[in-house]
Amino acid sequence: DSGVTQTPKHLITATGQRVTLRCSPRSGDLSVYWYQQSLDQGLQFLIQYYNGEERAKGNILERFSAQQFPDLHSELNLSSLELGDSALYFCASGETYNSPLHFGNGTRLTVT
Amino acid sequence: AQSVTQLDSQVPVFEEAPVELRCNYSSSVSVYLFWYVQYPNQGLQLLLKYLSGSTLVKGINGFEAEFNKSQTSFHLRKPSVHISDTAEYFCAVTLYNQGGKLIFGQGTELSVKP
Repeated sequence: DSGVTQTPKHLITATGQRVTLRCSPRSGDLSVYWYQQSLDQGLQFLIQYYNGEERAKGNILERFSAQQFPDLHSELNLSSLELGDSALYFCASGETYNSPLHFGNGTRLTVT
Repeated sequence: AQSVTQLDSQVPVFEEAPVELRCNYSSSVSVYLFWYVQYPNQGLQLLLKYLSGSTLVKGINGFEAEFNKSQTSFHLRKPSVHISDTAEYFCAVTLYNQGGKLIFGQGTELSVKP
């Protein structure tokens, strides 16, 4: 058990809809990262937060947004969903800015 | 920009045989290197990491990796595999000043047969 909790485990929704994925980092970890894993793109970095502030952006679409709250949990919001957004979304956390990452078990999103 | 290439997408091997999963990276600056393992329907688990110091790094479950700066490689090895090692293995890099943002390779599926 990595200590990183992601909810929900599975999400099935229709095109055009909006969903929110939630992540609770390991106790004491200040950094939260979001990754997308798909068969064609592999593991892609989306965005990083450190102690509530956005620190780095990767290949995150404009339809996607995220935030980290004062209690350090994070949410990834995906809107105007398309079939191609179907993927496994991972959250990871690290103790400090450069610490090794610990991953949650992911949220599997299926867009129909 | 840095990149990671895992040279084999699938590696079949018999139980108790040795295995090497190959990883090459490209970067013009110093990097940190990692191997992660992903079991079916689970998240990624850190196997080992190279941050500095000795180029031979030992990790969990009997795995080890060697950092070779001249060849820009970080190959993962295990002298004797078990059925339970069947999983997807990912090599990843991050720049020392990139705040932990990982760039992953495409993964190598290790299949251990009895």
